[in-house]
Amino acid sequence: QSALTQPASVSGSPGQSITISCTGASSDVGTYNFVSWFQQHPGKAPKLVIYDVSDRPSGVSNRFSGSKSGNTASLTISGLRAEDEADYYCISFTDSDTWVFGGGTKLTVL
Amino acid sequence: QLQLQESGPGLVKPSETLSLTCSVSGGPINSNNYYWSWIRQPPGKGLEWIGIISYSGRTSYNPSLKSRVTISADTSKNQFSLKLSSVTAADTAVYYCATQRGSTSWVDPWSQGTLVTVSS
Repeated sequence: QSALTQPASVSGSPGQSITISCTGASSDVGTYNFVSWFQQHPGKAPKLVIYDVSDRPSGVSNRFSGSKSGNTASLTISGLRAEDEADYYCISFTDSDTWVFGGGTKLTVL
Repeated sequence: QLQLQESGPGLVKPSETLSLTCSVSGGPINSNNYYWSWIRQPPGKGLEWIGIISYSGRTSYNPSLKSRVTISADTSKNQFSLKLSSVTAADTAVYYCATQRGSTSWVDPWSQGTLVTVSS
């Protein structure tokens, strides 16, 4: 299975909004609404910020939102803050009954 | 609430078998609709899904690792384990165990992660 495609890096200024894309195929993102997003700070375990494409776990800021169109899922972070600077990963269920991660995106808050 | 803690050797020799155990507290691993995963992250690189075992013992593995991976569960100890055979330096990574729920892409909580280095 091929990793989902994410941009290597994105950046934004405090207060702005950014969007990170996660492109898969009809065998994963395009068919299933089982897409999650994780935030990972250096040296820490990943933290779930979005599940099932657009649902937010309790305690996660409503500045984080998710969506999907066709084979591409997206994570949007609004009102950027310095603490949002981290690596972000998507994951999707596949029609092989497996899961596949994206390659990760480094978010820089300028 | 669930908590996961992995344990196992931090150094494994090339061609040998990497073995890790994830101890679960806060709930039984055979609880309906819960799944238990292994995920790894080579130094400076991205996350890679290794495999999963369900509450009923059904397993699924990353096709690229399938020939070398075995995930099993011990309900009496409330633990699940990872065995990766014939390791090479490319298997050096931080290994995480994590909880997934059925019929959803929820993956939480995660363990803190343990670095396993493959070296002679």
